[in-house]
Order: sequence, then structure tokens, then C-alpha cells
Amino acid sequence: QIQLVQSGAEVKKPGASVKVSCKVSGYTLTELSMHWVRQAPGKGLEWMGNFDPDSGETVYPQKFQGRVTMTEDTSTDTAYLEVRSLRSDDTAMYYCAVGHSTSFLDFFDYWGQGTLVTVSS
Amino acid sequence: DIVLTQSPGTLSVSPGERATLSCGATQSISSYSVAWYQQKPGQAPRLLIYGASRRATGIPDRFSGSGSGTDFTLTISRLEPEDSALYYCQQYDVSLTFGGGTKVEIK
Repeated sequence: QIQLVQSGAEVKKPGASVKVSCKVSGYTLTELSMHWVRQAPGKGLEWMGNFDPDSGETVYPQKFQGRVTMTEDTSTDTAYLEVRSLRSDDTAMYYCAVGHSTSFLDFFDYWGQGTLVTVSS
Repeated sequence: DIVLTQSPGTLSVSPGERATLSCGATQSISSYSVAWYQQKPGQAPRLLIYGASRRATGIPDRFSGSGSGTDFTLTISRLEPEDSALYYCQQYDVSLTFGGGTKVEIK
């Protein structure tokens, strides 16, 4: 059984960066395709991208390109999401989620518990 | 991007009754590329259905999915009190997008 445990809540000022972690247990990270999804307060779900373990590359929707980095530390089975130049509309719950296959076109079997990132001056 | 529109926004159903949730897409989607999730307050989403009609592991058979092209449906055949939640559809045919959600309330 895969478990995903995310880092704790963060409060950041506009313009700052945040790095959220997602530790995997039950499987090794190299066997999984990790995605990130966010949810603004009272809003729906928004896919942020996927780290492809086979190619080592990431796939992002255009709105996040240049401002978001996804990385993995396979020695600790931990995935990371960094968001730079934070704005107030980046305030959201950020989830890591495991794709069913290694394609970025996928649904999500397992989810982390979420990390709340609040951007406020 | 493919935009998914879910209706109704809120559905109020009595226990034991049927709930029908709709998900409409702005362009045709492969039937193999639609999923449904349930989300309760303070929790992460939970996968219910994938491939438009395949139940995820451990999901009760009162949940079923159907549809093709641009119109997809999640049906909860006999509503239980614990089914009160938000429900989201997702397409993974062209990039990945989610619908805006339907809230199911118990009367």
C-alpha cells in the first residue's frame, strides 16, 4: 500500500518561494509517477504537472511553466514541488498524487494529505 | 484545454434514492480517459471511477460511471449518509483537467 506524507503548512509573503515535500512509503519513488494538484480555498482541483521518472523530465500546463519546479530525491523517496514568485492567488492546498501508470495522461490512485500554503503580506 | 462543466452545482437527495451527476466536456473525450473522485471536508480526493466506468479498488457497487463523447455521468444508486461529499470529474485524454465539482447533500 502506497502512503504519501507531505510537509507541514507554510505562510509566505508575496514574491517569496515555497518548497513542499512528499515522502513515499510502501513503494520506491522510482516506481511511481508523481503529480502535483492544487486546490484554492473553496475551489476545484487544478493539475500542476508531473515528474516523469523514465525521462527525468517534467510536464506542466503552460500557466505554471517557468514558475514551478518538480524534483525527486530517490535516496529518500521524497518528491518536491517548488513554486517561485508567489502571489496571493497561489494560496491553496497542494497535493502530491500518484499516477496509475508512467504516462502523464493519467488518473490518481493515491493522494497525500495536502500542504496548505498561504501567501499573505 | 478541455473544459469540464459539472451539473448540478448542488444535489440534495434522500437516503436510499438515486443521485445522478453530470460532467460535460467542450470537446469529445476518449471514454477510457474519464475519472471521478469523491472529496469530503478536510480530506484529499478519493478515486471512485476510472476509464469512465471502472470502479476503483474498494469502491461500493452503488457507484457507477457511464458516458461517451462529451457527456459523462456518475450515478450513486442508493445514497448512504456517508456519500455526502463533493464529487469531481477529471479527463486525462488531452492534458489533465477537472470539473468544478458537484456537492451532494443528504436530505
